[in-house]
Amino acid sequence: GQNIDQPTEMTATEGAIVQINCTYQTSGFNGLFWYQQHAGEAPTFLSYNVLDGLEEKGRFSSFLSRSKGYSYLLLKELQMKDSASYLCAVDNTDKLIFGTGTRLQVFP
Amino acid sequence: DTGVSQDPRHKITKRGQNVTFRCDPISEHNRLYWYRQTLGQGPEFLTYFQNEAQLEKSRLLSDRFSAERPKGSFSTLEIQRTEQGDSAMYLCASSSDRGPQPQHFGDGTRLSIL
Repeated sequence: GQNIDQPTEMTATEGAIVQINCTYQTSGFNGLFWYQQHAGEAPTFLSYNVLDGLEEKGRFSSFLSRSKGYSYLLLKELQMKDSASYLCAVDNTDKLIFGTGTRLQVFP
Repeated sequence: DTGVSQDPRHKITKRGQNVTFRCDPISEHNRLYWYRQTLGQGPEFLTYFQNEAQLEKSRLLSDRFSAERPKGSFSTLEIQRTEQGDSAMYLCASSSDRGPQPQHFGDGTRLSIL
């Protein structure tokens, strides 16, 4: 079966660092995507990992370990506008399989 | 690049009615995807097209759902004889097929069944 697990909710303080974990078990794997989704809006692409290691993109970094079926999204210097849902998605033969998403609330 | 466009943004209909949604992908993208998202859940794959060919359809998709992409540009998703459980956000996404490419999502069509 296909299974992607993320924490349901997280909270953090403005200016802090937060790590959102994702574990997966899927029948196929062509890479892992992270998306941000504000309430009532479309998911927007944040990062992509296909090889093991860390990908850095400004305040956002994403890590992948294929042998462990594990990824994380690291958000630095948190801002209020980072309050959103963060979706982990596995590319499984061209279609994306999403986790339920992690709702992050940033407090001042 | 105007992004992925979906129409309508909201649709309210009575149970048993048919509904049709439209998606216009990013112009240079030859792949187009349909997903469904309910509150508190991630998007769930429904079907996808490469150009005009429908390459995969989720086993979760009942026979009441049909999608087309006749000229390899815009796509339509039709739901016949709608049921309460069809209430959801229907998201369209598009991507290029050149290497690993992110899917770009539209703002979705929110369907409410009365």
